[in-house]
Amino acid sequence: AQTVTQSQPEMSVQEAETVTLSCTYDTSENNYYLFWYKQPPSRQMILVIRQEAYKQQNATENRFSVNFQKAAKSFSLKISDSQLGDTAMYFCAFMKHVNYGGSQGNLIFGKGTKLSVKP
Amino acid sequence: GAVVSQHPSWVICKSGTSVKIECRSLDFQATTMFWYRQFPKQSLMLMATSNEGSKATYEQGVEKDKFLINHASLTLSTLTVTSAHPEDSSFYICSARDPQTSGSYEQYFGPGTRLTVT
Repeated sequence: AQTVTQSQPEMSVQEAETVTLSCTYDTSENNYYLFWYKQPPSRQMILVIRQEAYKQQNATENRFSVNFQKAAKSFSLKISDSQLGDTAMYFCAFMKHVNYGGSQGNLIFGKGTKLSVKP
Repeated sequence: GAVVSQHPSWVICKSGTSVKIECRSLDFQATTMFWYRQFPKQSLMLMATSNEGSKATYEQGVEKDKFLINHASLTLSTLTVTSAHPEDSSFYICSARDPQTSGSYEQYFGPGTRLTVT
């Protein structure tokens, strides 16, 4: 079974600074996907960034980037130039590879990290 | 982008009654939908996987007779909480994927439904 661990229940960062959220996972799969989701107070889940395990290059999306270490099973999220709107719960998630047309593909979530950006 | 809606967004019901939550994919065909449950300040826990036209697959520990899932069309899945009790009070979130598109790992979340059982 796959597990996702987020060891930082809460973090805070000053506006405009950089923060890194940690995530480790355990799996025997070789082909999978990793995600970071943001859940603001509205509770709408928002995809921040995703990484395909077969890709060595770390994913980046504007101010968000990941450090994907497949051998170490580590997938951290770096938020640069933090903004007040980044305040939210952040969940790391794992999904096994699903064949084209496959019927599974559920996400396994970590417990989350509550990030507060302070002005 | 793909949109998933949920209705209602908030429902209060009395103990012993049943409540139905709808999850709709608005602009794509969702052959697979997922139902998650989220307790306050906790993570999302998968309850069941719903495939159009077939019976849902429930996760271990989820009572299938209590949480009835119907995925009768390619755009609609419903979760019915039967004989609700206060301990069923939670935030229920659905998500949907369209396995027929490229990037089949894409999953789209609804805004969630807050259920309060009094």
